[in-house]
Amino acid sequence: KAGVTQTPRYLIKTRGQQVTLSCSPISGHRSVSWYQQTPGQGLQFLFEYFSETQRNKGNFPGRFSGRQFSNSRSEMNVSTLELGDSALYLCASSPGREINEQFFGPGTRLTVL
Amino acid sequence: QKEVEQNSGPLSVPEGAIASLNCTYSDRGSQSFFWYRQYSGKSPELIMFIYSNGDKEDGRFTAQLNKASQYVSLLIRDSQPSDSATYLCAVNPGGYQKVTFGIGTKLQVIP
Repeated sequence: KAGVTQTPRYLIKTRGQQVTLSCSPISGHRSVSWYQQTPGQGLQFLFEYFSETQRNKGNFPGRFSGRQFSNSRSEMNVSTLELGDSALYLCASSPGREINEQFFGPGTRLTVL
Repeated sequence: QKEVEQNSGPLSVPEGAIASLNCTYSDRGSQSFFWYRQYSGKSPELIMFIYSNGDKEDGRFTAQLNKASQYVSLLIRDSQPSDSATYLCAVNPGGYQKVTFGIGTKLQVIP
């Protein structure tokens, strides 16, 4: 079974631009969570989707948004990029309705200049 | 604020020794607990999960949970240099609620 895939793997943007990241979960997994990872803050939860519904949201500004499609693929968008948005963005999928073990994708490394 | 706390390390142990990694959590009602390993430049991978008080063993790894003390630990026996990584503790309050991760403990196994 293929693992979680994320595209693109690397991205360089400038301040003020917007970016869209994509995540394809493991086949059959319906829950997708997004995390931001930085050296100082560790893994910070962004949001979680199940069956196209956002069930949980972390403490991030409204510039961060996401969605999930009927095939469980998910996208997250960051508008008006700031330097502090430079981070590794990780997507994780979980098989069931409850969020238990999560399987992470390789991440998207975003650099904002 | 529901938190998960870990010592960021680094924790250095000699090859062959037991590495003990610790994690405390603030939400007393938390239901499930996970340990992830993250190698430098890679994404986290699940190595253990535990739901009930006591010990759970899987090969060289043992997870220990004490809900009364709100404490979960990971023991790695016969530590190998390949175990050198950051170990993340994650806590699920239950059901659909978000999983909270600790900052991670960096483990260095010295040959």
